Amino acid sequence: DAGITQSPRHKVTETGTPVTLRCHQTENHRYMYWYRQDPGHGLRLIHYSYGVKDTDKGEVSDGYSVSRSKTEDFLLTLESATSSQTSVYFCATLGQGNSPLHFGNGTRLTVT
Amino acid sequence: AQKITQTQPGMFVQEKEAVTLDCTYDTSDQSYGLFWYKQPSSGEMIFLIYQGSYDEQNATEGRYSLNFQKARKSANLVISASQLGDSAMYFCAMREGDYNQGGKLIFGQGTELSVKP
Repeated sequence: DAGITQSPRHKVTETGTPVTLRCHQTENHRYMYWYRQDPGHGLRLIHYSYGVKDTDKGEVSDGYSVSRSKTEDFLLTLESATSSQTSVYFCATLGQGNSPLHFGNGTRLTVT
Repeated sequence: AQKITQTQPGMFVQEKEAVTLDCTYDTSDQSYGLFWYKQPSSGEMIFLIYQGSYDEQNATEGRYSLNFQKARKSANLVISASQLGDSAMYFCAMREGDYNQGGKLIFGQGTELSVKP
């Protein structure tokens, strides 16, 4: 277990409000990722980071921003939440080589 | 563009029987990795098995094996002797390139497996 903690675990927010999800890891892994999971779509990559202050966009990055000021923390921000961003959000990290991604337990976000 | 396809949205299997979950992929890379994850109803993502594109033998992990057919671009998961606890969503995923290229995984849509007693 890569020691990944996501917070909050559940959140309900209103359309138009800003939301920040936090991912904290204790394994000093270089790579960190944010995915969203929706029925029929599997998991889709939002943004990822390959080091402190180094981030890049994934497949579904519109409406999201990220920041990584420390190795252990990766923040996902929805600047102005929309109902289409209702989803389960997973953070993941990658240790090295051909390792699998290790996932946090997810954050269920509902935008009303 | 890279793509993973799981064509079985849902499957049923009798307890103690074997089941195959299908996964096909599309990539132009020679170096890639294939992964299977299990997601039980509690929601966590559990890594099951990995196959590298250059691995000559099919990967096995306990009751899980990966039927890797490179020419057909398929990476089916075989679960032997199904147990009730195997009921879950199963995701196939692919990584193109190596660690230094970002390590990102792309996922299929998932297959929901139900094991009947």
